[in-house]
Amino acid sequence: GENVEQHPSTLSVQEGDSAVIKCTYSDSASNYFPWYKQELGKRPQLIIDIRSNVGEKKDQRIAVTLNKTAKHFSLHITETQPEDSAVYFCAASGEGGNKLVFGAGTILRVKS
Amino acid sequence: DGGITQSPKYLFRKEGQNVTLSCEQNLNHDAMYWYRQDPGQGLRLIYYSQIVNDFQKGDIAEGYSVSREKKESFPLTVTSAQKNPTAFYLCATRQGNEQYFGPGTRLTVT
Repeated sequence: GENVEQHPSTLSVQEGDSAVIKCTYSDSASNYFPWYKQELGKRPQLIIDIRSNVGEKKDQRIAVTLNKTAKHFSLHITETQPEDSAVYFCAASGEGGNKLVFGAGTILRVKS
Repeated sequence: DGGITQSPKYLFRKEGQNVTLSCEQNLNHDAMYWYRQDPGQGLRLIYYSQIVNDFQKGDIAEGYSVSREKKESFPLTVTSAQKNPTAFYLCATRQGNEQYFGPGTRLTVT
């Protein structure tokens, strides 16, 4: 089955700097890659996603890139703000797109 | 995701007792999921259901059971066979590829 690895497990950046979180996946048939943000004690919220027919997608300060050949995808946050501090999870669809397999999460701390 | 409710927010039980977690949705989504979240780990899939009266085991189904008698409801029972039930439990629905999460129930078993 699908396996998703996420790095780093924790990331501290200065306010205004960029943050990059990377994930690799194992199943070459996976075709959907969402990113979720989870604040302490709250539910995960979808912040951006990408499908396998696209190499990059941007939404304001957030972007995701996908390299299908290498089977990895990354989340890029520019001009980080304190409110970006949270846990970020990547995921990949497996088994026909009906299931998501999640990475272990990255704790992002933005220092002001 | 405002249309997914989980109750209660916090639940405490004694070891050896079964407990049922509620998940209700008014989004008219066919597919529903249960995940378990432990500190330092990602979300792990317990059970999922793509349609009423049908459900499949996820990666960590042992010690759990579910039912899907109505489209709106997908309750999860944590049985006494689950060796380490204390965790944060998240219910989700799916439309297309996108999954939407409920607010979660934090279960503590002592």
